[in-house]
Amino acid sequence: NAGVTQTPKFQVLKTGQSMTLQCAQDMNHEYMSWYRQDPGMGLRLIHYSVGAGITDQGEVPNGYNVSRSTTEDFPLRLLSAAPSQTSVYFCASSARRDTQYFGPGTRLTVL
Amino acid sequence: RKEVEQDPGPFNVPEGATVAFNCTYSNSASQSFFWYRQDCRKEPKLLMSVYSSGNEDGRFTAQLNRASQYISLLIRDSKLSDSATYLCVVNNLGTYKYIFGTGTRLKVLA
Repeated sequence: NAGVTQTPKFQVLKTGQSMTLQCAQDMNHEYMSWYRQDPGMGLRLIHYSVGAGITDQGEVPNGYNVSRSTTEDFPLRLLSAAPSQTSVYFCASSARRDTQYFGPGTRLTVL
Repeated sequence: RKEVEQDPGPFNVPEGATVAFNCTYSNSASQSFFWYRQDCRKEPKLLMSVYSSGNEDGRFTAQLNRASQYISLLIRDSKLSDSATYLCVVNNLGTYKYIFGTGTRLKVLA
């Protein structure tokens, strides 16, 4: 049972490049979410999904897109990377309003 | 005002000490409460859920005070391995969003 997996673990982008952060869970959880964590800011919600085909914006959605075509996968797309998007990104999943399980994170640097 | 607030610390305590953290929340509709632990450069992991009646897990005790809108975490007999950042998390009634505090850093000193 892998839980929540994220790829890549590290990524360096140049300003303006696009990329997709992958997230997958094998626990059949309905709820999945993406957070970014910056020093002194805590975890901030970017986008979330309550099931396949349903997504919604969180606190800091600008510059990011998501889709949820299957229960297992919830990729996060950076449309045109900016230095302000340098951060650690965590994907999480949960069953209803229960415990959230986090992936190991992706450390992204935008130059 | 932030929806969930924590003292960032750091709390530096000697091994064996008892330490307590508080977390206040501003939304009276908050329904579910959790304490997570996060080690440096790692993902957050659930430490305990917080129930209205309070709950205990070994050296850890969590309490909820709905009237004053805060939750607390008590750690007894601190170990070096307890050094981490402790995150307070709240889920509001009718939403799927989890609101995180910025965390409280604990350093247990030998």
